[in-house]
Formats: sequence, C-alpha cells, structure tokens
Amino acid sequence: GAVVSQHPSRVICKSGTSVKIECRSLDFQATTMFWYRQFPKQSLMLMATSNEGSKATYEQGVEKDKFLINHASLTLSTLTVTSAHPEDSSFYICSARTQDYYGYTFGSGTRLTVV
Amino acid sequence: GENVEQHPSTLSVQEGDSAVIKCTYSDSASNYFPWYKQELGKGPQLIIDIRSNVGEKKDQRIAVTLNKTAKHFSLHITETQPEDSAVYFCAAKGSASKIIFGSGTRLSIRP
Repeated sequence: GAVVSQHPSRVICKSGTSVKIECRSLDFQATTMFWYRQFPKQSLMLMATSNEGSKATYEQGVEKDKFLINHASLTLSTLTVTSAHPEDSSFYICSARTQDYYGYTFGSGTRLTVV
Repeated sequence: GENVEQHPSTLSVQEGDSAVIKCTYSDSASNYFPWYKQELGKGPQLIIDIRSNVGEKKDQRIAVTLNKTAKHFSLHITETQPEDSAVYFCAAKGSASKIIFGSGTRLSIRP
C-alpha cells in the first residue's frame, strides 16, 4: 500500500535556528502533499497544501515566511521552520494524496521541540 | 470552508461493549469521510472511510454510517478490545480537496 516516510521523527533545536522536515512518498507519486500541526491533546490543523512544482497554499493565519514549504519532486516535500521559537514546538505531520482521488496517506509525524 | 464537529471528546466503555462516535460537517460538497486512529506519538492511521454515494460501510468490528441530508456521520466499534484504546478523529474532504479533521475522541476501554 501507499507509504509516506517522514523524517526526522524527533528534533530539538535552539531558539532562532531553522529546522527542515522531510516527507517522502515511497511507492507512489504524490502530486499534492499537506502539512499539519498538532498541539498536545488537540486535533490536526492544516497548515498548507503543496503541489509539485508550484508554490504552496497556506491556510489563514499560517505565516508563509516562517514555514517554508518546497515540493520540488513528485515524491518529496519539505517543511522548514525558520527562526524557530518555543511556541513553534509541536507535532508536525505530512500527508500525501495518492493517485486514487480518495486516498490520503499520513506520515508518522515529527516532534519538534524548540529550547 | 469545511468545519467538522466531533463528539464526545472522551468516551469510556467496558471491554466487549460498543462505542459510537458522531461527527457533523458543514460543506454540503464534501464527498469523502475517513476515520483515523491515532496512538500516542504517532501519525493518524486510516481505519475506515466512506464516500458520499454510500450510506453505510462495515469492516469486521468497525462500521461507519453517513447521512448526507443531515450532514452527519458516525463510527461504530463493536466488541471493543483493550487495543481499541486511542484517539479517534473523523474527517471530511471538501471541495478544495483538503482533509479537515474533527476535534478528536479519546476512547478508553475498561477491562
């Protein structure tokens, strides 16, 4: 079945630095990928939608200059948290849409802690 | 945009009993309704889904029902087991092809 690999699973960084999270579709081509953020005991909130080869579409309230998304190939999307601050600490999850219009596969998530 | 409401937020049932989680959605154009199970520290895992042209779908102990007129859908888990304990999310795919999640239900199975 469709598999999405997300790395790293955990990362700790210092305040003010940048962190990159990778999301790869291993056995299918993902024309569209989605990035979510989840705070403890809360739901997944959609941050942005990225289509291969074009600029990402950000949800209202999400700073596009802070959360840089690159979807340069059909199997890889990256999320870079720039100038990270403690309030950016969260669980970040990617999702990729399979060629089946109804298929959405999620990665295993990245726990980001900014100290 | 799409808005998905889910209840209850917590649910505790005796092992072997049934659990029901209910959701409503706002976008009448939504046509796909997945349910996810999330364990601590992991990404959500699809457990069952239903498309808008179907009213009910069953997979062993799990079933989902959809009422398009009322814009609500429900997850039913029968013969619950300890390993069913987790957080469950309903979701809906609207016209923008985005999956929007409900607020989640923490299900606990009492031995």
